[in-house]
Amino acid sequence: GDSVTQMEGPVTLSEEAFLTINCTYTATGYPSLFWYVQYPGEGLQLLLKATKADDKGSNKGFEATYRKETTSFHLEKGSVQVSDSAVYFCALSLRSQGNLIFGKGTKLSVKP
Amino acid sequence: NAGVTQTPKFQVLKTGQSMTLQCAQDMNHNSMYWYRQDPGMGLRLIYYSASEGTTDKGEVPNGYNVSRLNKREFSLRLESAAPSQTSVYFCASSVPGLAQPPRTQYFGPGTRLTVL
Repeated sequence: GDSVTQMEGPVTLSEEAFLTINCTYTATGYPSLFWYVQYPGEGLQLLLKATKADDKGSNKGFEATYRKETTSFHLEKGSVQVSDSAVYFCALSLRSQGNLIFGKGTKLSVKP
Repeated sequence: NAGVTQTPKFQVLKTGQSMTLQCAQDMNHNSMYWYRQDPGMGLRLIYYSASEGTTDKGEVPNGYNVSRLNKREFSLRLESAAPSQTSVYFCASSVPGLAQPPRTQYFGPGTRLTVL
């Protein structure tokens, strides 16, 4: 079935370090891809999205490119801040359905 | 514009008790969803409602019922709570995307439920 696999955490980085969180997917259709972020004690917020191959989503310095050939949507940021500490979820959604299929989440901690 | 609101924020139940989690959205979205979040499991879909008057099961519907009261409100009911239902519950809403690329879902702040 359809699924999302993302790297397990936790990931601990120093401030200004480069971040990559890997995400790959399996889907029978042609999905849209999302990254959501969950700050401590809060609900999920959309970070970025891409709806077709080679699209690049970006927001707040984060980027991810929809790679159909490798079925991937890796999240990157060039210089993380302490305020980026959160749990990051990769997700997909298919045209035939409305719901999101989530990865298990990756907890990021950024130290000063 | 409050977005998606959920009540209560916290709840403790004893095994066998019942309760209803409330969700409302003011964005005029047609589709609404209930997810549960468990450690190491990500979010899993319990039920969803593609439009007012319709509801469908998701990945983990057992032990739950839902009601789409009107376009704004979508409630989740636990008839006889079990410890396995201890979780954080999130409601979400979106514009439907059946004919177009799926749209962003907007999430509420969650309800943390403990069943003893």
